[in-house]
Amino acid sequence: EAGVVQSPRYKIIEKKQPVAFWCNPISGHNTLYWYRQNLGQGPELLIRYENEEAVDDSQLPKDRFSAERLKGVDSTLKIQPAELGDSAVYLCASSLGSGDVKEQFFGPGTRLTVL
Amino acid sequence: GQNIDQPTEMTATEGAIVQINCTYQTSGFNGLFWYQQHAGEAPTFLSYNVLDGLEEKGRFSSFLSRSKGYSYLLLKELQMKDSASYLCAVMDSNYQLIWGAGTKLIIKP
Repeated sequence: EAGVVQSPRYKIIEKKQPVAFWCNPISGHNTLYWYRQNLGQGPELLIRYENEEAVDDSQLPKDRFSAERLKGVDSTLKIQPAELGDSAVYLCASSLGSGDVKEQFFGPGTRLTVL
Repeated sequence: GQNIDQPTEMTATEGAIVQINCTYQTSGFNGLFWYQQHAGEAPTFLSYNVLDGLEEKGRFSSFLSRSKGYSYLLLKELQMKDSASYLCAVMDSNYQLIWGAGTKLIIKP
């Protein structure tokens, strides 16, 4: 069974440029998460989807970040414009649900460097 | 506020035993997770505790005391491949995972 797929794995951009990350969750997982992880820190939740609905986006910096999950399957996270402080690893995770305790499965992440 | 505390770094010897502690203060409690994360890789699930006591899974065991807001991960018969960061995470009353910063475990031969 395929795991969570993310692309690209690495991205280097200059500040003020836009960038987008893509995630395809494990088949059948209706809950999808986007996390940001800085070096030496735990993951920080940006947004959580239940199917195509964003149910928790309180930590998403909405002035520059946006996300979508149009058909309730794969998802895109966008930053426009990027700032130096956005350099981090962006992790996508999925689970069977979130209303009950469910293990989250993580993708390999996208390492973003903003110059 | 919500808070998860764990040591930043620990060093142990191959073949030995190491205990990684985690203390937490969260809004509600729906279980505690331990994840392993090798450098440059994604976190992978190790264990889940929701009731007090010890859960054993091979060389790894996890303990929980809800009254003390405390958990530990015990790794036995350490191998070089166990060198990684170990993340403690608590699921709060909204079923959101609150993550610790992770403990970097260094295994020496």
